[in-house]
Amino acid sequence: QKEVEQNSGPLSVPEGAIASLNCTYSDRGSQSFFWYRQYSGKSPELIMFIYSNGDKEDGRFTAQLNKASQYVSLLIRDSQPSDSATYLCAVLNDYKLSFGAGTTVTVRA
Amino acid sequence: EAGVVQSPRYKIIEKKQPVAFWCNPISGHNTLYWYLQNLGQGPELLIRYENEEAVDDSQLPKDRFSAERLKGVDSTLKIQPAELGDSAVYLCASSLDRGVEETQYFGPGTRLLVL
Repeated sequence: QKEVEQNSGPLSVPEGAIASLNCTYSDRGSQSFFWYRQYSGKSPELIMFIYSNGDKEDGRFTAQLNKASQYVSLLIRDSQPSDSATYLCAVLNDYKLSFGAGTTVTVRA
Repeated sequence: EAGVVQSPRYKIIEKKQPVAFWCNPISGHNTLYWYLQNLGQGPELLIRYENEEAVDDSQLPKDRFSAERLKGVDSTLKIQPAELGDSAVYLCASSLDRGVEETQYFGPGTRLLVL
């Protein structure tokens, strides 16, 4: 079992819709959870992180964490063509950050 | 504030040749990481430094890979000799130790092609 698993995608959503990205992790002791965005040919850039159960909102992005279910998600509201990218889920455990393979999102104009 | 700087951005070499990558972290960040990213995959940690000490190099293939961070700032990652399978993007990241809020910031990466 991989440490961090994401829905494989690609995910195609119309402009203005909500994109929902899911991530599960295997180590129950994981401490913090990060979402990075990676445009093609570019390096990952941080969108947001969460470490407490519940929701955390930052602009059009909402991260949701459920430690009991070992599940973290990212919602992108009012999706824009500029949101088209690969989204990487990363899990921090004892200073080590483990990444999922990413979900590619395409926003259709 | 300047971000993580890496050079070169691209490198093409023939197999069995040596290659080196350089990284300058964000000013004040004591922790530095080297990652490898293959196409369609997430970054995989090669080595983590706290100041000048390599505190996690368990994933570094030590038969051909080496790294150093002599003064606790800049770092160099070397491959000698390079193999075809080493073709990938090599990412450097840095962070400031803040416990559960510790966030890693990535440089632009070095894209390596081994022919």
